[in-house]
Amino acid sequence: DTGVSQNPRHKITKRGQNVTFRCDPISEHNRLYWYRQTLGQGPEFLTYFQNEAQLEKSRLLSDRFSAERPKGSFSTLEIQRTEQGDSAMYLCASSLHFPAGGPVNNSPLHFGNGTRLTVT
Amino acid sequence: DQQVKQNSPSLSVQEGRISILNCDYTNSMFDYFLWYKKYPAEGPTFLISISSIKDKNEDGRFTVFLNKSAKHLSLHIVPSQPGDSAVYFCAASKSGGSNYKLTFGKGTLLTVNP
Repeated sequence: DTGVSQNPRHKITKRGQNVTFRCDPISEHNRLYWYRQTLGQGPEFLTYFQNEAQLEKSRLLSDRFSAERPKGSFSTLEIQRTEQGDSAMYLCASSLHFPAGGPVNNSPLHFGNGTRLTVT
Repeated sequence: DQQVKQNSPSLSVQEGRISILNCDYTNSMFDYFLWYKKYPAEGPTFLISISSIKDKNEDGRFTVFLNKSAKHLSLHIVPSQPGDSAVYFCAASKSGGSNYKLTFGKGTLLTVNP
């Protein structure tokens, strides 16, 4: 299967601990995204990368959150000093983006199955 | 401020009938719209999309209609099958889809009864 892979699938942690999630995108995709989904809501944008460059961060991404994509391939999302409000499903997605002048149709986002974080 | 609204939390239809899922948006800068389907314990799966230069896009049993003046889109599934039972999310973005900061609705749970 060459879809988006996320690890771990589930993480239970105590308040105040640090957690790190990993995302492996579809190999030829140059864009990688992190979204967060809470119960009864749709996914909310957190941040995205084009290759290794982090191009945009949402206001939802407090200074306790940091995301990296060091070699333009896999990405990690770290949450420091977790709070109960951080409990959510963290979704990673990837897509193939063509630069200006390229094909009009960029690929849609392909999501992984997410990492469910529970902070107790 | 919910820029993409799915006002029906759930919808139940009989197998073989048409399912119509609705979505409204408030931001006139949105010009690219997508529907995703989500099964429990899985991530959202892309279904179909439409650019604002079109008013209809069809892919097999799935058709999306866009009414820009009303800022409304709908997804039609014909005929509905039990395997279509899932949560359906409407999403929107700006800049012709090149900006993939998607704004999602809250989703509609579709149940197709055999």
